[in-house]
Amino acid sequence: DIVLTQTPLSSPVTLGQPASISCRSSQSLVHSDGNTYLSWLQQRPGQPPRLLIYKISDRFPGVPDRFSGSGAGTDFTLKISRVEAADVAIYYCMQATQFPSFGQGTKLQIK
Amino acid sequence: QAQLVQAGSELKKPGASVTVSCKASGYSFTSYALSWVRQAPGQRLEWMGWINTNTGNPTYVQGFTGRFVFSLDTSVSTAYLQISSLKAEDTAIYYCARGSTILQVVDAFDIWGQGTMVTVSS
Repeated sequence: DIVLTQTPLSSPVTLGQPASISCRSSQSLVHSDGNTYLSWLQQRPGQPPRLLIYKISDRFPGVPDRFSGSGAGTDFTLKISRVEAADVAIYYCMQATQFPSFGQGTKLQIK
Repeated sequence: QAQLVQAGSELKKPGASVTVSCKASGYSFTSYALSWVRQAPGQRLEWMGWINTNTGNPTYVQGFTGRFVFSLDTSVSTAYLQISSLKAEDTAIYYCARGSTILQVVDAFDIWGQGTMVTVSS
């Protein structure tokens, strides 16, 4: 099974400042079809998860361009260029290269 | 717009059964894979498996076999998760989620239901 490890688990950020979350996989997420099925989800308090980024760096329609994804192989990053109050949430990475699994989540808080 | 609608909550006693429904609208129900995801208190999200909405064929992940059953009623664009012989550790929010790519692929989850909180307590 593929294990995803996120760092940090908690991230206090000042409004208007950037934030970055790392996701490391226990094995390569490159699929035999050449794609890398690594996505990022946002879960605001009391809400279901919401897709932000898929296939490492493709932004889902309606997601602000403040959110970006990068990485390759086993190491991936979600960046928020300028944090807003609405970004307070738990962020999860998820892989679907094999049976889907999720990271443990990173709680983004405002400092 | 495309959406998945789930009921809010269920309270059940240990040993009972529960059926969680997930009604799709705004898209072709039988064209996209439908997964079930569990979020237990304080735990990370767990993928339980998925059902091919075209053939009705379910796939269960280890740990969700035996007491868990995925089913469909395509006439009303609804998927179901049935859990039998409920235990306290089944207490969780259960989400349905749609695969983002047509043709029954589990790649990313672009639409999520609101979740159904199942509480198992005597």
